[in-house]
This record gives sequence, C-alpha cells and structure tokens, in this order.
Amino acid sequence: EAQVTQNPRYLITVTGKKLTVTCSQNMNHEYMSWYRQDPGLGLRQIYYSMNVEVTDKGDVPEGYKVSRKEKRNFPLILESPSPNQTSLYFCASSSPGLSYEQYFGPGTRLTVT
Amino acid sequence: DAKTTQPTSMDCAEGRAANLPCNHSTISGNEYVYWYRQIHSQGPQYIIHGLKNNETNEMASLIITEDRKSSTLILPHATLRDTAVYYCIVRALKTSYDKVIFGPGTSLSVIP
Repeated sequence: EAQVTQNPRYLITVTGKKLTVTCSQNMNHEYMSWYRQDPGLGLRQIYYSMNVEVTDKGDVPEGYKVSRKEKRNFPLILESPSPNQTSLYFCASSSPGLSYEQYFGPGTRLTVT
Repeated sequence: DAKTTQPTSMDCAEGRAANLPCNHSTISGNEYVYWYRQIHSQGPQYIIHGLKNNETNEMASLIITEDRKSSTLILPHATLRDTAVYYCIVRALKTSYDKVIFGPGTSLSVIP
C-alpha cells in the first residue's frame, strides 16, 4: 500500500530536549515536505526537499532542521524545542509526474512544555 | 500570505451539490490549481487539480474560469462524510523550487 508514515504520532517533551520526527514514504517520490498546522492558520511549509541531499526552506523554517540522505526518508529535527513549536506536523511526498499530487502522512502531534 | 482566498465556512444540505469557490487572482501561467480536504486532524487528502480546462474525477469536478483567476470545486451529491476543511492551493510543476502555500481553507459542514 502506498503510504507516508510518521513516527511518533504523539510526543510530549520539555523545552530544550532535542527530538527527531521521522518520515518515510514507499512510493519512490522525489519531493518531500514538512508542514506544521496551528489553529486558524492552515498548513505552513517548514522545509522541502526535491531530491536526496537537496533541501530548502519553506515559510517557517526557524527552529527546525532537516536532512535527506535517502530518497525514502525525510526526518524533521528540533535541536532545542520551545513551547511555540507545539503543533500538529505533517510530512508529505510527491513526484513531478503527470499528477504531482501530494500524499500526506497521518500527522505527529507535538507538545513542548 | 496565501496565494488563494476562500470563504471561511459554508453549509450544504446532504444530497445537494456543494460549490466551493477559490480566488487565485495572481496565478502564474505555469501554476496548477489543486484541491485537498482534511477531515478532523487527519492528513490532507488530494481531490483534484487542473490547469485551465475543467476537470472531473470520481470525487469532484473542478471549474476554472477562462482568465484562471478563480475556480470552483463541486461535490455533486454531498454526504455527511464530506464534512471537512477544503484547501485550494496553486502549485507550479517542474520548477527549481517546491514552495507550497496553504491558506486557512473553507470549513464545509454537510447538514442532514
């Protein structure tokens, strides 16, 4: 089954404790993105990657890092989480073919206290 | 700022057509219009996309105006399961960047 998986699905952590949210897709997609969603703000793109070792900033990259060492994986790293990073996070992947639709993961709900 | 604007919320009677408008007055020639929906806090789900011609699939129809400055998503026979937030975005294909901007979307309530 074609899918995007994220782990963990729920995470409660404390300010300053480094964490990584993993994202993996099994569709051989070139493009991957991370979004955060906050009430009333829709989805905002954090970082995107157009291929292995190629990443770029989205609209709200501050406080986040990403890496793309393998095509299927695109982890989101919070080196020093702060309470304003409490949010719902989604990973998405797509391929620059005919449709180019994005497939989204199930989301990771992060709370930073 | 979002490149699209949509009404904040809409209601639709079950069984009737739901027509969701979207304005994208600054759309570029190489940008497609995409529609997604999000049920509760699940991951958004792709619905349909188009460039300038009207499109139809098993889920919905997409009507794009001739000047491409606005579009309408049509759910022909809305059901309670169609209650969701609907997002209209514009996205360029095959470019050197992949920045995607989602607005707040339209919260559609299908009423029995």
